[in-house]
Amino acid sequence: QSALTQPASVSGSPGQSITISCTGTSSDVGGYNYVSWYQQHPGKAPKLMIYDVSKRPSGVSNRFSGSKSGNTASLTISGLQAEDEADYYCSSYTSNTLGVFGGGTKLTVL
Amino acid sequence: QLQLQESGPGLVKASETLSLTCTVSGGSISSSTYYWGWIRQPPGKGLEWIGSIYYSGSTYYNSSLKSRVTISVDTSKNQFSLKLSSVTAADTAVYYCARHSPPNDIIGTGSWFDPWGQGTLVTVSS
Repeated sequence: QSALTQPASVSGSPGQSITISCTGTSSDVGGYNYVSWYQQHPGKAPKLMIYDVSKRPSGVSNRFSGSKSGNTASLTISGLQAEDEADYYCSSYTSNTLGVFGGGTKLTVL
Repeated sequence: QLQLQESGPGLVKASETLSLTCTVSGGSISSSTYYWGWIRQPPGKGLEWIGSIYYSGSTYYNSSLKSRVTISVDTSKNQFSLKLSSVTAADTAVYYCARHSPPNDIIGTGSWFDPWGQGTLVTVSS
């Protein structure tokens, strides 16, 4: 199955808000509220930031929020900080497999 | 605190079988709530779900890899393993193991991975 579509890169200045999109189809993102987001710093393992579209695991800053409209899910980071610079991946359950990931988005904090 | 650790050879010859083990500590692999999964990431590229297993032995595989993948579990050792046969250079990647929360329509949650192991680089050589 094809990966979910994410922008290759986004950028923002400290204190600003940014949004990363994740576009799929009615067979994955649009069909289920099972979208998750992961943050990955260079050389490190991915870290779960959002699950079930908009839920935050314990310990994740409330500056991170998730939403979904139709076949597109979004991750918003408010009050951007230097430590947020990382790669971000979305993932979704699909109708014929347990999981598919997006291609990843590199966030640069200017 | 649940921790996962991958182990296995870092170099595999083309056409041979890649074998990795994930050791779970700080919790039981026999949990009725979770699956246990493998995800890989080729150098400089994105993540790809390989497959997941339940403690009972039920397996779920990515269709693109299904013909070459076998995931097994050893509850006595709190470990689960990955075997990928007939490897090529395209299988060179960092391989991660992770706890996998499966989809549950009754309580409305699912299909996320947390926590992850630190990952292990496997290089396929010709």
